[in-house]
Amino acid sequence: EDKVVQSPLSLVVHEGDTVTLNCSYEVTNFRSLLWYKQEKKAPTFLFMLTSSGIEKKSGRLSSILDKKELFSILNITATQTGDSAVYLCAVGSNSGYALNFGKGTSLLVTP
Amino acid sequence: SAVISQKPSRDICQRGTSLTIQCQVDSQVTMMFWYRQQPGQSLTLIATANQGSEATYESGFVIDKFPISRPNLTFSTLTVSNMSPEDSSIYLCSVRPGGNTGELFFGEGSRLTVL
Repeated sequence: EDKVVQSPLSLVVHEGDTVTLNCSYEVTNFRSLLWYKQEKKAPTFLFMLTSSGIEKKSGRLSSILDKKELFSILNITATQTGDSAVYLCAVGSNSGYALNFGKGTSLLVTP
Repeated sequence: SAVISQKPSRDICQRGTSLTIQCQVDSQVTMMFWYRQQPGQSLTLIATANQGSEATYESGFVIDKFPISRPNLTFSTLTVSNMSPEDSSIYLCSVRPGGNTGELFFGEGSRLTVL
């Protein structure tokens, strides 16, 4: 059975801190790993990773995938209160188009 | 990309009743996915809605409880039948127009509370 495990489950940091969120997976026929940010209801897309070792970057957020060790990290530098959200990791396989989601990391950034 | 309209955005329902959630996409897509997110939990796939054939349900979800319609390539409905408080969740419609090479787009979600 496919598994996506995120850690930590929750995190509280101060504004300006740097955080690293982790996602490990066991998926048959791995295709891609995606990160989403969920603030209210609908998750919004952050990154999609398919190749090992290639960092994807968007502003203060970056992510990288290690297909040998089966994990990914999401880094947020100089955190702001607006970064407070649940960050979801999801994995896709070549067996279908649906994504398998982890439980998420709840991040709270305090002023 | 895809823009997904989902309604209702929220509802409060009585135990034993049924509610149908509608999902409209601004472009034709082969597959649509229905996810459930129970309070404090992550997203769990309920079923894949295929146009012209029956939906494909994930383990733990059955058609009698969650009937799905997919009359065309831009529209789907999910019905939550004979609701109980355990069905209180956010229900999300989603599509992946790029297939395995693209992201999953979500509707705004329908927050159901069952009393």
